Amino acid sequence: AQSVTQLDSQVPVFEEAPVELRCNYSSSVSVYLFWYVQYPNQGLQLLLKYLSGSTLVKGINGFEAEFNKSQTSFHLRKPSVHISDTAEYFCAVSHFGANAGKSTFGDGTTLTVKP
Amino acid sequence: NAGVTQTPKFQVLKTGQSMTLQCAQDMNHEYMSWYRQDPGMGLRLIHYSVGAGITDQGEVPNGYNVSRSTTEDFPLRLLSAAPSQTSVYFCASRDRGAGELFFGEGSRLTVL
Repeated sequence: AQSVTQLDSQVPVFEEAPVELRCNYSSSVSVYLFWYVQYPNQGLQLLLKYLSGSTLVKGINGFEAEFNKSQTSFHLRKPSVHISDTAEYFCAVSHFGANAGKSTFGDGTTLTVKP
Repeated sequence: NAGVTQTPKFQVLKTGQSMTLQCAQDMNHEYMSWYRQDPGMGLRLIHYSVGAGITDQGEVPNGYNVSRSTTEDFPLRLLSAAPSQTSVYFCASRDRGAGELFFGEGSRLTVL
């Protein structure tokens, strides 16, 4: 079975400071990895994804994430956050093969950027 | 592009009532799924489909039914609503490849 653990439920940070949101996953098979963002009262939208290749992936709004296979982690980073980055962030894995229709999400991390 | 369209956006039910949440996508995606979102619990998979005529259960399927008669539509039926089904429901779709999920805007359901 696959599982996703987001290690921080809430991350408060001051504007222009760097931030890291941590995500670990567990899977017996290969998966694809994603970070989604949810702004208040909206659906989720993709920030970035790792399918294969370079372990450092860049996404929208200046976010990037690094896939670490040995540590089964996919942490999200941004060097300087803005007030507008305040949102909920979800790490997710998508399966393929026999479970191709499924995606598993972490519980989410609420990022609050303070002025 | 409309993407993934969910209706209704808000609904209030009484315990025991039934209803259907509608979901339609116009991207010709093979995979569609329903999630519920509850505070502090992320998104939990209710049911999913890998193509017309094929559905399967997810993590929390009890009390819900789905069908997939066309590629575009994937309705979620609540058979006899219970207060525990108060939640925000999201429909999502993706293509067969390694694509990301595309989400609807959500349907907020309250069961009294």
